[in-house]
Amino acid sequence: GNSVTQMEGPVTLSEEAFLTINCTYTATGYPSLFWYVQYPGEGLQLLLKATKADDKGSNKGFEATYRKETTSFHLEKGSVQVSDSAVYFCALSEGGDTDKLIFGTGTRLQVFP
Amino acid sequence: DAGVIQSPRHEVTEMGQEVTLRCKPISGHDYLFWYRQTMMRGLELLIYFNNNVPIDDSGMPEDRFSAKMPNASFSTLKIQPSEPRDSAVYFCASSFSRMNTEAFFGQGTRLTVV
Repeated sequence: GNSVTQMEGPVTLSEEAFLTINCTYTATGYPSLFWYVQYPGEGLQLLLKATKADDKGSNKGFEATYRKETTSFHLEKGSVQVSDSAVYFCALSEGGDTDKLIFGTGTRLQVFP
Repeated sequence: DAGVIQSPRHEVTEMGQEVTLRCKPISGHDYLFWYRQTMMRGLELLIYFNNNVPIDDSGMPEDRFSAKMPNASFSTLKIQPSEPRDSAVYFCASSFSRMNTEAFFGQGTRLTVV
């Protein structure tokens, strides 16, 4: 079945460092891919998405490119801030009529001043 | 719109008691999802509805769990009887009936069963 694999955390960085969180997926069709972020004590919020191969999603300085050849959707940010500390979830949508999201296990990011 | 609204935010109950979690989706959304989040298992989809009809409940862990959606603006997740291993954060989410659309999450209910 479809699945999402993320790098394990926590990822610990100093402020202004470069961030990469790896995400790979397994899917039989052509899913859409998402990154969600969960700040402490809150629900998940959509950070960015890409709906087809080679699309780049971007928001708040974060970017991710849908790579069909490597089945990847890695999250990157050039310069992280303390306020980016959160748990990041990669997800795919099976599409079709289901709109069912399949999530990775999440990666905790800790940014220190 | 106020977003997806869940209640209560926190629930502490004794083992064996019935627990009911509530969710009000965003108006106009016709998909509703219930997720459970724990440290050990991460985020798990329990069940989801389309137009108030349960579509996939394969993630519901046991018969002790049940979910209903009596109308487009309200859903419940019930655990009876509750057990300590049910302790988790339960999220409700909703979305439009379109391909590849964003799901909006509530703030969750933190359940502790002692």
